[in-house]
Amino acid sequence: AQTVTQSQPEMSVQEAETVTLSCTYDTSESDYYLFWYKQPPSRQMILVIRQEAYKQQNATENRFSVNFQKAAKSFSLKISDSQLGDAAMYFCAYNQGGSEKLVFGKGTKLTVNP
Amino acid sequence: EAGVTQSPTHLIKTRGQQATLRCSPISGHTSVYWYQQALGLGLQFLLWYDEGEERNRGNFPPRFSGRQFPNYSSELNVNALELEDSALYLCASSLRPSNTEAFFGQGTRLTVV
Repeated sequence: AQTVTQSQPEMSVQEAETVTLSCTYDTSESDYYLFWYKQPPSRQMILVIRQEAYKQQNATENRFSVNFQKAAKSFSLKISDSQLGDAAMYFCAYNQGGSEKLVFGKGTKLTVNP
Repeated sequence: EAGVTQSPTHLIKTRGQQATLRCSPISGHTSVYWYQQALGLGLQFLLWYDEGEERNRGNFPPRFSGRQFPNYSSELNVNALELEDSALYLCASSLRPSNTEAFFGQGTRLTVV
């Protein structure tokens, strides 16, 4: 079974600084997708960024970028120029080949200090 | 365009009772997914409905059930509530039966006392 591990229960960053959240996963599949979701206090899960495993290029969405290391099964999220609104729980998730199920890590709580 | 909507926002039930949670997907989305987010456990896949049929379920007992209506809205029923069922229940929908483009609602906070 696929598993997703987030080894940092909590992280903090100063406003305008850069922070990296870690995620590792375990799978024997070659066709899969990886995601980072943000869950603010409003509770709604918001998709931050998505990476297809077959793409070598790391995904980027404005201030958010990933470092996808397929051989190491690592998928870290870098947030640049952190803003107070970035404070939230961040979840790493795995989806096998477009199947219906997302497998989530346990999350990392990010605090942004002014 | 309205997003995924869930009701109620909060629900308090007594152990042994039944709870019904509702989800309206984004217009045009046919697939609905339910997840349980218990404290400290992350999100666990519960159920997947597509075109009115239950297509898959996670590792949950049969007292977790649901259905999808012709308008693609969905209901999650939890029978014989136990204290450990207290959690945030999140619904997501997608245009196709593929969870690579799922959009989530704000969840229903179920508290069992």
